[in-house]
Amino acid sequence: DTGVSQNPRHKITKRGQNVTFRCDPISEHNRLYWYRQTLGQGPEFLTYFQNEAQLEKSRLLSDRFSAERPKGSFSTLEIQRTEQGDSAMYLCASSPAWGQEINNEQFFGPGTRLTVL
Amino acid sequence: QQQVKQSPQSLIVQKGGISIINCAYENTAFDYFPWYQQFPGKGPALLIAIRPDVSEKKEGRFTISFNKSAKQFSLHIMDSQPGDSATYFCAASMKQGAQKLVFGQGTRLTINP
Repeated sequence: DTGVSQNPRHKITKRGQNVTFRCDPISEHNRLYWYRQTLGQGPEFLTYFQNEAQLEKSRLLSDRFSAERPKGSFSTLEIQRTEQGDSAMYLCASSPAWGQEINNEQFFGPGTRLTVL
Repeated sequence: QQQVKQSPQSLIVQKGGISIINCAYENTAFDYFPWYQQFPGKGPALLIAIRPDVSEKKEGRFTISFNKSAKQFSLHIMDSQPGDSATYFCAASMKQGAQKLVFGQGTRLTINP
């Protein structure tokens, strides 16, 4: 399977705990996105990486959220001191870009469903 | 501020019929308009996309119609099948910057056999 993969698929945690999710993008896609989707809503943008550089963060990304993409390949999203309002599906997407040619297409992974009790 | 508005919220169509979902956007800087299909528990899957230099794009049973002056675009699913039952999202993004997708609220489509 050469698509975007995310782990874990499901995570149940208690309020106040820290959680970390991983995303492996499509090989050679140098652009990576994180989105959050709550029940009955469309995904909302959280943050964007081009290679290892985090170039944009949404106001939705509070100080408790941090994302990394250390070698420009996989990415992690960590939520510290989880709150019940953090319960959502966290989606990762990747997109190709070659030199100056930009392709808008974004391919999504299956998501990580977080439940905070 | 909701930049992409999608309607209807839910839609029921008989097998073989035409499903039509509409979206309207506000930001004239948007220049890429994809449609995604999402099944329960899965991530969104790219169906078809259009840029504003064309008014229509067709791929199989799926067609996007685009009206730049009205800032509206729609998805038509011809010969709708029960397997098309899913939630559909329209989205938009700009050429510059992160090209992040701004999604509509979604339409839950049910195709009755």
